[in-house]
Amino acid sequence: AQSVTQLGSHVSVSEGALVLLRCNYSSSVPPYLFWYVQYPNQGLQLLLKYTSAATLVKGINGFEAEFKKSETSFHLTKPSAHMSDAAEYFCAVSDSDSNYQLIWGAGTKLIIKP
Amino acid sequence: DGGITQSPKYLFRKEGQNVTLSCEQNLNHDAMYWYRQDPGQGLRLIYYSQIVNDFQKGDIAEGYSVSREKKESFPLTVTSAQKNPTAFYLCASSIFAGASGEQFFGPGTRLTVL
Repeated sequence: AQSVTQLGSHVSVSEGALVLLRCNYSSSVPPYLFWYVQYPNQGLQLLLKYTSAATLVKGINGFEAEFKKSETSFHLTKPSAHMSDAAEYFCAVSDSDSNYQLIWGAGTKLIIKP
Repeated sequence: DGGITQSPKYLFRKEGQNVTLSCEQNLNHDAMYWYRQDPGQGLRLIYYSQIVNDFQKGDIAEGYSVSREKKESFPLTVTSAQKNPTAFYLCASSIFAGASGEQFFGPGTRLTVL
């Protein structure tokens, strides 16, 4: 069965530091992979998605993620954190086995220290 | 502007009352979804619908009901059988079942049982 693991329910970084949010997935067939962001009391917004084209995917707000099949990972990075990046981030996977329903990770809350 | 609207944004109800949450989309999407979000628990799927007049239970359907009489509308009723209904409810849609699975989200409704 598909699953998504996000390492760390909370990640704290200083403003200007590298942001790294980890996502590992399980899938026996080629997956689609997504990162969404949620600000407090709002809906989710798509940051970026992997759909079997380039393995390095660039998204909005300076974020990017790299699909690594050998490691079954899709980690999210940003070179320099900004206070406005404070939010909760969700990783999700879909594939033919799930009938393209999104399988969600538990989320990681990103905290930015001034 | 195309998008998903949810109303109301905040909803209060007394124990024992049924309440209906509205979700409307003008994206011409075939599939629609309802999620429940509790602090620290990520997204849990309540119901989803891939076509008009058809819907399926998700992981936590007990105490909820839905209808899909029109393509653009997917209301969720929280019944008195739902033991702990206080939560943030998110509606989403996707272009059609079998695509990548990318979902678009509404702004959410926060339900509080008094």
